[in-house]
This record gives sequence, structure tokens and C-alpha cells, in this order.
Amino acid sequence: DTAVSQTPKYLVTQMGNDKSIKCEQNLGHDTMYWYKQDSKKFLKIMFSYNNKELIINETVPNRFSPKSPDKAHLNLHINSLELGDSAVYFCASSQFRDIGTDTQYFGPGTRLTVL
Amino acid sequence: GIQVEQSPPDLILQEGANSTLRCNFSDSVNNLQWFHQNPWGQLINLFYIPSGTKQNGRLSATTVATERYSLLYISSSQTTDSGVYFCAVEPGTYKYIFGTGTRLKVLA
Repeated sequence: DTAVSQTPKYLVTQMGNDKSIKCEQNLGHDTMYWYKQDSKKFLKIMFSYNNKELIINETVPNRFSPKSPDKAHLNLHINSLELGDSAVYFCASSQFRDIGTDTQYFGPGTRLTVL
Repeated sequence: GIQVEQSPPDLILQEGANSTLRCNFSDSVNNLQWFHQNPWGQLINLFYIPSGTKQNGRLSATTVATERYSLLYISSSQTTDSGVYFCAVEPGTYKYIFGTGTRLKVLA
């Protein structure tokens, strides 16, 4: 039983398209996150949601919009994709809302390639 | 903003060797964590270590917050320890910054 799952695992698309990545956790956690890992392996937090409330919203282009229909799901929608959006996107979850102290559980990642 | 630098950037070890990875941060932080990303990309949270020392099996971590660094020790390394190790700091409420990473390769 996968704790944090993401779909799709791979996503190849053309510039200008709109795409979504889905994330689901079955751990009963209250907080979920999206991270971006670029080609140099640098990791950056993008968003976090606690019980459907946005609590971290880093400097990310507004083409990226997270959506949390319930606390077990956090989807990432990206409009007007650009070459620079190519990266691996990780979803994670934690029991509480404190990113600095909670143990986070990560999904397997979604590799997005924009052509 | 805060800078989080890790050293060395790359490390190659023979199986059984010990190693020390370092995380330096340029400003005071509320919290610090260590992560391991295996060669297949899976990320695992290793330690929450804002200060002091913790041990988990062959891994241990020490943070000296007043001197703005943290160390991750790997003893008797195994090939399964290969991957990239990241530290991440919380310099303020709802701020979270990852370090530059140390890529470790353990040879059989």
C-alpha cells in the first residue's frame, strides 16, 4: 500500500500546454507539500497545505496553482508550460503543520519534460 | 537570504569506510533536518536535529546551532548509503531552504 502516490510518473508535453500532477496520501496526515527538483538536483519547496488551507506559498510563478479538494489530496496544475518548468516534482505529507520539525513522507516524484 | 552550503559536494568511499558530511548555514535557524535521496530518486527524511546529537543505527547527526553548522556521520558505509544527502533549514516561520547536497557513492 503506497503511502504517498503521484500520477503520472512521467509527463512529456509541449510548451504552452496546461497539465496537472495528482498526489494522494493514505497516512491520515494533515499537511501536504509540493517540491521542485531541478536538473542540478537543487530542491525547493513550492507550496504546503494544512487541512486544505494554504500555509506556504513560495515565490512561484502564478502559472502554478495548487488545489486541495480534501486533506488526502494535493494536486498541482501548471498553465502555459515553459521550458524552465522541466524538473522532477515531489509531493510529500506530514502529520502536523510544522515543516521544520515534522517527518515528511515523499512520493516517488513526477518527471516533467517540456519540449 | 540565508545560504545553506554542504560539503563536500561529491564523495566516493569504499564499503566499510566512515564519512562526515557538513551543512553550513549563514544565519540562525529554528530547525534543521537531514534527508537522503537514493539513486532511484526516493527521498527519505533522516533526522530532525535543531541542536545536539542524535543517532539512528549507523547514522548520527550533530548540530551546533550557535556556530551555524550540522554534521552527518555515516559509519561502516554500505552501497545502499549511496545517493544524495541534503540538509534543510527553517530560517523563519513557514520558510524552508535546502542545502546544495552531497553526492555520495559507496563502492563494493
